[in-house]
Amino acid sequence: NFMLTQPHSVSESPGKTITISCTRSSGNVAGSYVQWYQQRPGSAPTTVIYDDDRRPSGIPDRFSGSIDMSSNSASLTISGLKTEDEADYYCQSYDGSTPWVFGGGTKLTVL
Amino acid sequence: EVQLVQSGAEVKKPGESLRISCKGSGYSFTSSWIGWVRQMPGKGLEWMGIVYPGDSDTRYSPSLQGQVTISVDTSINTAYLQWTSLKASDSAIYYCVRASHYGGNVMWGQGTLVSVSS
Repeated sequence: NFMLTQPHSVSESPGKTITISCTRSSGNVAGSYVQWYQQRPGSAPTTVIYDDDRRPSGIPDRFSGSIDMSSNSASLTISGLKTEDEADYYCQSYDGSTPWVFGGGTKLTVL
Repeated sequence: EVQLVQSGAEVKKPGESLRISCKGSGYSFTSSWIGWVRQMPGKGLEWMGIVYPGDSDTRYSPSLQGQVTISVDTSINTAYLQWTSLKASDSAIYYCVRASHYGGNVMWGQGTLVSVSS
């Protein structure tokens, strides 16, 4: 099994850009797609990025995803931060022998 | 409109049994995986298992196998998560998801709060 490690929290001002990392402990991050989920307080999660870098319908292009094989990590970048982006963000991946693995979540504060 | 509608909140005692449900609509129920994700109070997301309604292929998280049962009734487009003997540690919000087997463009249900207390 592998683990996905995220920073516990990040904060930034409105209008700025932040990047949340998700580092895979073993195995190749490029070998399995990475998803990113947003969970606002008191709400169910929603998908903001799937298949590493694809956005579901309705998700603004301020949200983008990428992978970096050199650091074996995935990243979620949010540009033009808005107060409504304040939420917990979770990465998730999979491999053929492991069920879904979630990162521990990152609390984004927009202040 | 594609929707997943989960059953309502439950309050149970330890040792009781429970089945919560997730009804899919607006898509071919038998052609997408349905999974369950647990979120314990103040904690992160934890994958429990997934079922393919088309052939009932079911996969469980190794840490939860034997503690819950995932099933489907394709005649009413509904998936279930079932316990035979609840514990206080089962208190959590349970989300059903429509997904690919690896995740993909996951659609989330609204969640079902389960509270287990004596």
